[in-house]
Amino acid sequence: QLQVQESGPGLVKPTETLSLTCTVSGGSISDNNSYWGWIRQPPGNGLEWIGTIFHNGNTYYNPSLKSRITISVNRSKNQFSLRLTSVTAADTALYYCARLGAAEISYGYADYWGQGTLVTVSS
Amino acid sequence: AIQLTQSPSSLSASVGDRVTITCRASQGISRSLVWYQKKPGKAPKVLIYDVSSLESGVPSRFSGSGSGTDFTLTISSLQPEDFATYYCQQFHNYPQGLTFGGGTKVEIK
Repeated sequence: QLQVQESGPGLVKPTETLSLTCTVSGGSISDNNSYWGWIRQPPGNGLEWIGTIFHNGNTYYNPSLKSRITISVNRSKNQFSLRLTSVTAADTALYYCARLGAAEISYGYADYWGQGTLVTVSS
Repeated sequence: AIQLTQSPSSLSASVGDRVTITCRASQGISRSLVWYQKKPGKAPKVLIYDVSSLESGVPSRFSGSGSGTDFTLTISSLQPEDFATYYCQQFHNYPQGLTFGGGTKVEIK
């Protein structure tokens, strides 16, 4: 059974960089039928897609966050990561990593999710 | 970017009620729409994909319909475990430009 699990600091200071890692187990991050994504939910608000990566390193970002985010993949560790620079209180959220399906069959939704990790931006 | 507008943003209903939630896209998205159920402290769960296909293991009281820009999620007979927040999500230009609706919170009347 595929599992994904987020890890990273729960507290980040304003103007600093948020860094999270997602570890994939029970499957390979190099699976050609899988894309890997980050989604967040600020407290009391709805879900927001952050970005998606394929194992070859191709990335797709939310235009509203594009200038501040980098998503990368480490195939040897079966992990992918999120970096969000210049954070503010508005970036406080529950951050989820997830598996999405193959673009070739338009399987563009998340069927496996991590439990989520709360990141608070505060000094 | 394609915007999704869900309505209502919240509703109160009783066990056994029929509940309908609407999701409207800012442009046509063909059948590239999924519905999730989200409960506090839990990750979202896929209910319906490709507008009307029921995800494996999801009760048949959930159904989806629509095309183009207007879509609905219907719960035919609300059960206690269905009180949650429901989100639509479009993937028309996947892997680019995924967007979620604002959510509909279904509460107990």
